[in-house]
Order: sequence, then structure tokens, then C-alpha cells
Amino acid sequence: GENVEQHPSTLSVQEGDSAVIKCTYSDSASNYFPWYKQELGKRPQLIIDIRSNVGEKKDQRIAVTLNKTAKHFSLHITETQPEDSAVYFCAAPNTGNQFYFGTGTSLTVIP
Amino acid sequence: EPEVTQTPSHQVTQMGQEVILRCVPISNHLYFYWYRQILGQKVEFLVSFYNNEISEKSEIFDDQFSVERPDGSNFTLKIRSTKLEDSAMYFCASSEVGQGTGELFFGEGSRLTVL
Repeated sequence: GENVEQHPSTLSVQEGDSAVIKCTYSDSASNYFPWYKQELGKRPQLIIDIRSNVGEKKDQRIAVTLNKTAKHFSLHITETQPEDSAVYFCAAPNTGNQFYFGTGTSLTVIP
Repeated sequence: EPEVTQTPSHQVTQMGQEVILRCVPISNHLYFYWYRQILGQKVEFLVSFYNNEISEKSEIFDDQFSVERPDGSNFTLKIRSTKLEDSAMYFCASSEVGQGTGELFFGEGSRLTVL
């Protein structure tokens, strides 16, 4: 099955700085990699995803990079704002029909 | 915007009791899922459902769990005899295409507390 590791588990940054969260996966057949943001007591919500046919995708202040050879992908948030504070989860699918989620990164943006 | 809805939002039950959690997936979605999140931990896959049958389940999804799509809109998770360790947030999710290729849409979750 898929093994997804996520680092760091907690991250504090000053408002305006960048934040980077990294995930590695084990199943080389995985071809879709989403990032979810979960605010306290809320449902996970997709913020960005990337497919294996591209190496980078950007949406305003959020970007995701993928290195298929090394089997890792990263979330980059630039110009962080206090409302970016949340838990972020990466996920990767196995060859079957299920996503494996990372252990989460609790991001705190300090005003 | 269509969304996945879940009921109840919070259920408190005694150990050994049966619990049914209900979900209404997004209407044109074909794939349905249940996930569990113990407080402060990661989201864990329980089961996926497609074409009126289970397509995959994790080792967490033992004989105490079952899923059903009793009509054209509802998707339920039943826990037959709850244990203390079943206390968690249970998320239903649906997707238009098979998991692993497209976005999962999560419901707001049902918090289960087993006493």
C-alpha cells in the first residue's frame, strides 16, 4: 500500500513569510496529489492539486511542485496571512481506490 | 454550490450501542467514501463504495462496520457495537470520478463520542 510521510508536523511563520510543507510517497503508480486545508473543527477542503504529467502548478499564493523521480511533492504558500493558519494534509492514492493522507502540518501564521 | 451533507453533526452513545451515520453525497457523483479522524490525528480511509458495492476497505473497517445505500440519495455507515476507540469525527466524501484521479468533496463530519 501507499506510505505517505509529511514534514514538518508543526510550522510557525511570521506574516508575509513563505511556508513550505513536504510529502513523500511510496507507490510509483500514484499520479494525482492533492493538498487539503482543514481549519479547526471543519472539513478538509482541497486547495490545490497536481497531476503527474506536470512538475509545478500555481494558484495565486499557493503552489505545488512534484518530483516523480524522487517521489515527493511540496506545498508552497507565499506572503502568508493569519487566515492561512490551519492544518494542511497531503494525500496520494494507491493503485487501488483509496487515498492515503499524510499526518498533517499545523501551520501558524504570526501577525 | 452542491455539497456533501451529513447527519447527525454530533452523536453521543454508550459503548456497545449501534450507531448509524448518514450522508447525502453530491447528486451526480458516483463514488462514495467514509473516512475517520481521531482528534488531532490524520484522516484515515475506511471504505469506498461504487456501483452499489464496496470497492475497497481498510483494515479499520472490520465486521463491526457496514455501509449501505438504501435509496438513491443516502449513504450510511453503521457501527454495530461501538467501542470507546470508535470515538472520532467521521467524514463522508464523494467524487465524480474514481478516487486517485479526482477531487474528493468532504461533508462537515459527524462527531461520534462513545462513553
